[in-house]
Amino acid sequence: AQTVTQSQPEMSVQEAETVTLSCTYDTSESDYYLFWYKQPPSRQMILVIRQEAYKQQNATENRFSVNFQKAAKSFSLKISDSQLGDAAMYFCAYRTLNDMRFGAGTRLTVKP
Amino acid sequence: GAGVSQSPSNKVTEKGKDVELRCDPISGHTALYWYRQSLGQGLEFLIYFQGNSAPDKSGLPSDRFSAERTGGSVSTLTIQRTQQEDSAVYLCASSLWVAGGTDTQYFGPGTRLTVL
Repeated sequence: AQTVTQSQPEMSVQEAETVTLSCTYDTSESDYYLFWYKQPPSRQMILVIRQEAYKQQNATENRFSVNFQKAAKSFSLKISDSQLGDAAMYFCAYRTLNDMRFGAGTRLTVKP
Repeated sequence: GAGVSQSPSNKVTEKGKDVELRCDPISGHTALYWYRQSLGQGLEFLIYFQGNSAPDKSGLPSDRFSAERTGGSVSTLTIQRTQQEDSAVYLCASSLWVAGGTDTQYFGPGTRLTVL
């Protein structure tokens, strides 16, 4: 079965510093998509970044970037210049044609 | 433009009652998903609609749960004879399906269900 594992239930970062959230997944598929979603206390899920498995180049969205290691089935999220508004639950997700899985989430705290 | 909306935002019910949760997807989105998020947990997939195809019900936890999508747009998730373990936030998402699984899901704000 396809699974998504986020091994860090909680992470903390100082404002303006950089933090990396880990995600690994297990799949036998060759074609899939990976996502990071952010869920602030308002509980609205917001897409942060996505990565197509067939692309070797790591996706980047402003302060957010990923380190996609396909052979290792790893998909970590790096947040640079952390801001107070980045505090939220972050979910890693995996998508194929017939399946969608989410990790259990990492709670990120940003310290002023 | 308008995002995914869900109603009600909060629902408190008594054990054994039936509840209906509504989801209005983004206009034009062909795919619609329901998830359940228990307190402090990740998202549990419940059901998926794609166009006029039969829904993928593989995630529904019991036969007390059902969902329909009328006219390919609005969806209703129904929970019959609610139990306390049904208490959770129910999230709906929609996407503009593209062949090959390239959809990005956009989520609604969720309905927080509390079963007393």
